[in-house]
Amino acid sequence: ILNVEQSPQSLHVQEGDSTNFTCSFPSSNFYALHWYRWETAKSPEALFVMTLNGDEKKKGRISATLNTKEGYSYLYIKGSQPEDSATYLCGETSGSRLTFGEGTQLTVNP
Amino acid sequence: KAGVTQTPRYLIKTRGQQVTLSCSPISGHRSVSWYQQTPGQGLQFLFEYFSETQRNKGNFPGRFSGRQFSNSRSEMNVSTLELGDSALYLCASSLVPSGELFFGEGSRLTVL
Repeated sequence: ILNVEQSPQSLHVQEGDSTNFTCSFPSSNFYALHWYRWETAKSPEALFVMTLNGDEKKKGRISATLNTKEGYSYLYIKGSQPEDSATYLCGETSGSRLTFGEGTQLTVNP
Repeated sequence: KAGVTQTPRYLIKTRGQQVTLSCSPISGHRSVSWYQQTPGQGLQFLFEYFSETQRNKGNFPGRFSGRQFSNSRSEMNVSTLELGDSALYLCASSLVPSGELFFGEGSRLTVL
C-alpha cells in the first residue's frame, strides 16, 4: 500500500446499529495513526492518536485498534446515533508528514 | 482557551491574482500545518511549520508558499491563481510536530 486508504467510502446505517470502518496505510516508516471526525460545517476534531502496535483506544461508544505490522486500523462505533453522522478521517504520520485518506462518510438514520 | 483562528473565512478572487491566508494557532502550539480540500478529495497536505522552519512540503507547485512568524502565526500565499485552486484551506496547530491536530474553521477560496 502506497497511500492511506479508507473503506467503505460511505455508509448508511440505522440508529442503534454498530458499525466499523477500515484504514489501511503503508507500514514502513510508521510513526502515528490519527482518527478525526468531521461534521458538516464544522472543523475536523481528533478522536484518537495511536502509536503502538496493538493499541486500543476508547472514547464513549467509539473505539479504535491499531496493527502497525500489517498496516491497518479499525474504528468501531457501538449503537450508532444520528449525531454520529460525519466523515471519519484517518491519517498516518510517517517521517514528518501527516497524510490523510479520503474518509468514510457515515449517515445514521433515525 | 481560544481555538485556531483562520482569516478570512471566505474570499473570491479572479484568475491570475494572488491570495494570502492567515492562521493563528492555539496559544502554546508551535507547529502549524496547512491542508487543501477540493470537492471529492481528502485533505491534501500543503506544508508544516515548526518554530518558523518549514519541516515538510506537499506535492504542490511553487505558486503555493507559506511562512511562520516568531509568535507561531502562519500565513500561506498562492500566487497566479488558477480555477483549480478553488478549495477549502484548513490550518491546524499542534503542540509538537505530527501531534494531535486542532483545526481552524478554514478559509474557503473561490477563483473565478
